Amino acid sequence: GESVGLHLPTLSVQEGDNSIINCAYSNSASDYFIWYKQESGKGPQFIIDIRSNMDKRQGQRVTVLLNKTVKHLSLQIAATQPGDSAVYFCAEKGGYNKLIFGAGTRLAVHP
Amino acid sequence: DAGVTQSPTHLIKTRGQQVTLRCSPISGHKSVSWYQQVLGQGPQFIFQYYEKEERGRGNFPDRFSARQFPNYSSELNVNALLLGDSALYLCASSLLGGGLQETQYFGPGTRLLVL
Repeated sequence: GESVGLHLPTLSVQEGDNSIINCAYSNSASDYFIWYKQESGKGPQFIIDIRSNMDKRQGQRVTVLLNKTVKHLSLQIAATQPGDSAVYFCAEKGGYNKLIFGAGTRLAVHP
Repeated sequence: DAGVTQSPTHLIKTRGQQVTLRCSPISGHKSVSWYQQVLGQGPQFIFQYYEKEERGRGNFPDRFSARQFPNYSSELNVNALLLGDSALYLCASSLLGGGLQETQYFGPGTRLLVL
């Protein structure tokens, strides 16, 4: 079946360092991927997305990389700040508006 | 501008009861999707509604139902509650019903606890 999963359940980084959060997906036909950030007690917040015809997309302090050969997605956060502490989900878009989420990676930023 | 709003924020029910959760999408958005998020897991797709019609359904039993109103707000109903229905129920809205790069914006969720 379809699945989107994350390799690491928890990532701890020092403030100011760069963070890399990884994600594997299983449906090679998937053509649209999204990263969401979820803070405690809140709903998921859109960060950045990427289509399958792209390898890289950059936003403000964030970059998403897509490797279709190995079905791998990563989110890079530059100069990680305490406010970046949250759970990060990658999601794959299925039929209609269905999003298929993984279990999430918790990012802990230490001063 | 207001984002997606959901009510109530928290709810406690007992097994066998029924619950209704409400969602108001972002103004101008016509599609609403519902997700269930069990603690420690990613959200799971339940339903999508667009223009008051069901456009997609996830792997959930018939105890789960939903509807969308003419103003595009939506209700999720769960009958005969089970302990396993305890979760955060998220509503997401998008402008249309399935555009390729259509971003879904999530509300804060309703935390349901079934005792």
